[in-house]
Amino acid sequence: DIQMTQSPSTLSASVGDRVSITCRASQNIDTWLAWYQQKPGKAPNLLIYRASNLQTGVPSRFSGSGSGTEFTLTISSLQPDDFATYYCQQYDTYYTFGQGTKVEIK
Amino acid sequence: QLLESGGGLVQPGGSLTLSCAASGFSFKTYAMNWVRQSPGKGLEWVSGISGNSDTTHYADSVKGRFAISRDNSKNTLYLHMNNLGAEDTAVYYCANPSDSSGYYYVLPFDNWGQGTLVTVS
Repeated sequence: DIQMTQSPSTLSASVGDRVSITCRASQNIDTWLAWYQQKPGKAPNLLIYRASNLQTGVPSRFSGSGSGTEFTLTISSLQPDDFATYYCQQYDTYYTFGQGTKVEIK
Repeated sequence: QLLESGGGLVQPGGSLTLSCAASGFSFKTYAMNWVRQSPGKGLEWVSGISGNSDTTHYADSVKGRFAISRDNSKNTLYLHMNNLGAEDTAVYYCANPSDSSGYYYVLPFDNWGQGTLVTVS
């Protein structure tokens, strides 16, 4: 099974900050990686697919990069609506999610 | 829109069937999935099915205990769960990717329901 490891588990930041979240795969997954945002009591929402492609309707302050085993989600200027938990997901071989990164207000 | 139902409290070793009612899209042309989320194990893909039910897929953790099915005439997806244990306690979501070929392709999920809670205790 492919394991996905996110870091950090929690990130404290302020509005306007540039923040980055890292996701590492236990084996090469090319660019078969997605990022989701989840708010309390809601289902995850797809932000990025194929490592760097922005889903329709997602603000351009979100971006993704990486390939192989190391990936990054970056929010260029954190907005109040962005405080949430973020998950990476590999879809090279079925699906595995990272354990999540909670972005909280500093 | 996806709307799950059927969750609840069940004893260890018991059974439960979840439903997911779809609306607003051509259900039969989309592969569907179940994903669960628990505090201890996070998000976990559980099972998937092609549009015409010819292929089904399961996580190792539920293989032999859970069965996925669908009724395209009712626009409804099901998850039949047997021999439940505490490790199955979670919010269960139905979800699908945007591909409308009906084939089961492993793609990200851009459509999710609101979830239904299953508690095994």
